[in-house]
Order: sequence, then structure tokens, then C-alpha cells
Amino acid sequence: EIVLTQSPGTLSLSPGERATLSCRASQSVSSYLAWYQQKPGQAPRLLIYGASSRATDIPDRFSGSGSGTDFTLTISRLEPEDFAVYYCQQYGSSPPTFGGGTKVEIK
Amino acid sequence: QVQLVQSGAEVKKPGASVKVSCKASGYTFTSYDINWVRQATGQGLEWMGWMNPNSGNTGYAQKFQGRVTMTRNTSISTAYMELSSLRSDDTAVYYCARVLNRGGGTYLIGYWGQGTLFTVSS
Repeated sequence: EIVLTQSPGTLSLSPGERATLSCRASQSVSSYLAWYQQKPGQAPRLLIYGASSRATDIPDRFSGSGSGTDFTLTISRLEPEDFAVYYCQQYGSSPPTFGGGTKVEIK
Repeated sequence: QVQLVQSGAEVKKPGASVKVSCKASGYTFTSYDINWVRQATGQGLEWMGWMNPNSGNTGYAQKFQGRVTMTRNTSISTAYMELSSLRSDDTAVYYCARVLNRGGGTYLIGYWGQGTLFTVSS
């Protein structure tokens, strides 16, 4: 199974700052990589799929890049509602797997 | 709009079974695969398996083979996930989740239920 490693585990930033989250796969997943946001007590929400395509109604401050084994989620300017946990997921091969998550917290 | 509404929280004893329901609305139930994902408190997301609601075909994570069964009732647009031989480490929130679209792959999740917490405790 493909292992996804997210870094850092926690990112402490202030509103308005840029956030850069990393996801590395143990083998190539091509572009079958998605990013989800999860807030406390809520289900995850799809942000990005196909490594770089924004899901419906996702603000353009969220962007994804990468292919193969190295991927990045960038939040250009953090809004208060963006402080949450972010997970990457590969969905190109079975079993699909998730990374361990990156928590973006208010500094 | 797509909605997935899950059954309520449950408490079970070790060794028991639990069956979670997931009622779909806002789309044609048989047209989109359903996945089940669980999350222990304070932990990450763990994929359990998928089901094609049209054919009933399923695929399970190796970890849950023999303990999990995913079924559906198309007449009421409802998917079910049953987990047996419960252990304390099965305590988690369980999510049903619909794929984003038919061309995007079986495991790309676009819509999530609200989650069902079940607690395994003696």
C-alpha cells in the first residue's frame, strides 16, 4: 500500500500569512492526489483533486501542485476559517490511503 | 443538493456487531460509489472499503476483511456498513462518503455524511 507522509505535523501561522503543506508518497501516484480540510466536529471537505483542481466553491486562495511523489497545498493568505487539519489522499490505487494530517493553528 | 444522513451514535460491547446506515438524497443513489472511512478520536482517516450501489459489488481493506460487510437497499437509497467482532480499538467516528463523480475514480470522495460515533466498551 502507498504510504503518504505529510509535513509538518503542525504549522503555526497568523491570519494573512502563506501556508505551505507537503505530502510525499512512497511511490508514484501520478496526479491522483486529493486534499481535504477538516474542522473539529465536522466531516472532511474536499478542497483539491487531481493534484491541482479546486473542488466546487473552494476559494482560489487554495492551490495544489505536484505530481508523482511530491505534492504541495498552498493557502496564499490565511483566513480565520482556514485554521484546521488538512489531509492528503491518494486515490489512484487500492487501497486508497490518507496522510497523517497537518494541523494549521493560529500563532 | 447531495446529502448523506447517517444513523445515530451507538454503544456496543466487545464482540458485538454494529450496523450503520447512510441515507442518500439529492442524486441517483445507484449512480455513484459509496466509501466508508473511519476516524478514531484525535487520529487520522482510515479507509475501510467501497460499494457500488448499482451492482452491490464491494471491496474491503485487508484489515477489515472478514469483519465488515457493506450492503444497500436501493428502494430507500440507503447504504449500510456492518462491523462484527467489535474491539475497543474500533471506537471511532464512521463516515459514509460518496465519490465526487463517475469519471473521477472509485476512491475520490466528494461528499461526506455527518459521521456516526460508535463506542465499544464493556
